[in-house]
Amino acid sequence: AQSVTQLGSHVSVSEGALVLLRCNYSSSVPPYLFWYVQYPNQGLQLLLKYTSAATLVKGINGFEAEFKKSETSFHLTKPSAHMSDAAEYFCAVSGQAGGTSYGKLTFGQGTILTVHP
Amino acid sequence: KAGVTQTPRYLIKTRGQQVTLSCSPISGHRSVSWYQQTPGQGLQFLFEYFSETQRNKGNFPGRFSGRQFSNSRSEMNVSTLELGDSALYLCASSFRPGGNQPQHFGDGTRLSIL
Repeated sequence: AQSVTQLGSHVSVSEGALVLLRCNYSSSVPPYLFWYVQYPNQGLQLLLKYTSAATLVKGINGFEAEFKKSETSFHLTKPSAHMSDAAEYFCAVSGQAGGTSYGKLTFGQGTILTVHP
Repeated sequence: KAGVTQTPRYLIKTRGQQVTLSCSPISGHRSVSWYQQTPGQGLQFLFEYFSETQRNKGNFPGRFSGRQFSNSRSEMNVSTLELGDSALYLCASSFRPGGNQPQHFGDGTRLSIL
């Protein structure tokens, strides 16, 4: 079974500082990985996705993530935080074709990002 | 291009009642998935539909059911509501099924059970 662990339920940074949100996955085969952001009273917005092409994935709003198979990690980073980045972030995994997790997203517990002025 | 539309946005029901939630996917998207979001359990997969067929199902009791219509719109139904069913129910659509297909989410229906 697939699983996702997000280290740190709350992360606080100053405006302009580096944002690093950690995600580790468990999967028997290379998975597809996603990062989503959720603002209050809204649904999930896709930030970026890894689908076995380049290991460094660039997303919207200046975010990027690096897939590291040896560490089973897919950490999300942004060089300089902005106040508008304050939200909850979810890492998710989906399985390969033929598996029971194919097309089904398994989410981490989420990380709430706070940005201080 | 319109996004995923979920109706209604808010619902208040009492225990024992049943409820139907609606989801209209992005135009051209034929796969629809449903998720339940609660503070305690987080985001959990309910089911996925494609071409009016349920392709995948999460670990929820039979009180939770869904269907998809020929125009790809989907509904989910919860019967005999329990207090624990209070949650944000999110619908997501993708062009087709597949692990590499990004799912696009609606703003959800917030269901409160009294």
